[in-house]
Amino acid sequence: EIVMTQSPATLSVSPGERATLSCRASQSVSSNLAWYQQKPGQAPRLLIYGASTRATGIPARFSGSGSGTEFTLTISSLQSEDFAVYYCQQYNNWPPYTFGQGTKLEFK
Amino acid sequence: QLQLQESGPGLVKPSETLSLTCTVSGGSISSSSYYWGWIRQPPGKGLEWIGSIYYSGSTYYNPSLKSRVTISVDTSKNQFSLKLSSVTAADTAVYYCARHSYYYDSSASRREYFYHWGQGTLVTVSS
Repeated sequence: EIVMTQSPATLSVSPGERATLSCRASQSVSSNLAWYQQKPGQAPRLLIYGASTRATGIPARFSGSGSGTEFTLTISSLQSEDFAVYYCQQYNNWPPYTFGQGTKLEFK
Repeated sequence: QLQLQESGPGLVKPSETLSLTCTVSGGSISSSSYYWGWIRQPPGKGLEWIGSIYYSGSTYYNPSLKSRVTISVDTSKNQFSLKLSSVTAADTAVYYCARHSYYYDSSASRREYFYHWGQGTLVTVSS
């Protein structure tokens, strides 16, 4: 099973600033990685797939990069609605599909 | 607009079987080549994939749960279902149903991820 590790667990950022979230895989997942955003009481929402392709309707301030074992989600200029928990997920080696433990993006 | 809605008991007793159904609207389970899955999230914790099913009925499960999980599809009702047997308190979670999406990578391998999600339903295991 591939273990996904996200860092940091919590990231405190001010609106308008840039946020950089990291995700590491225990072995290569090529570019088969997705990012999801989850707000309290809501289902996860797909942001990025293929490590860097934005899903339909996702603002351009969200970008993904990386391949192999190291991945990054960058939010270029934080808006108030971006404060949430973010999860990475690999779909290269399955079963099982595996998720990271999440990074909570909070208001500084 | 594709919509998924989970339904089922919110309280299940230990050792019993948890049963949930996901009703799909705005699209047909059987008219497309997608997988449909179940994911759960214990309160305050992360996401765990349970298993997925193709519209034709082929399934694959998380090895950690495989001995207790059955996922089935009813195309006539546009629904798919989850059964998890011998539940304990550790199975208390919000259960989500989701539709995969996919692409073919440079090696022509089909790659799946979760695109559309239901709102989730909390199932508590308690006597």
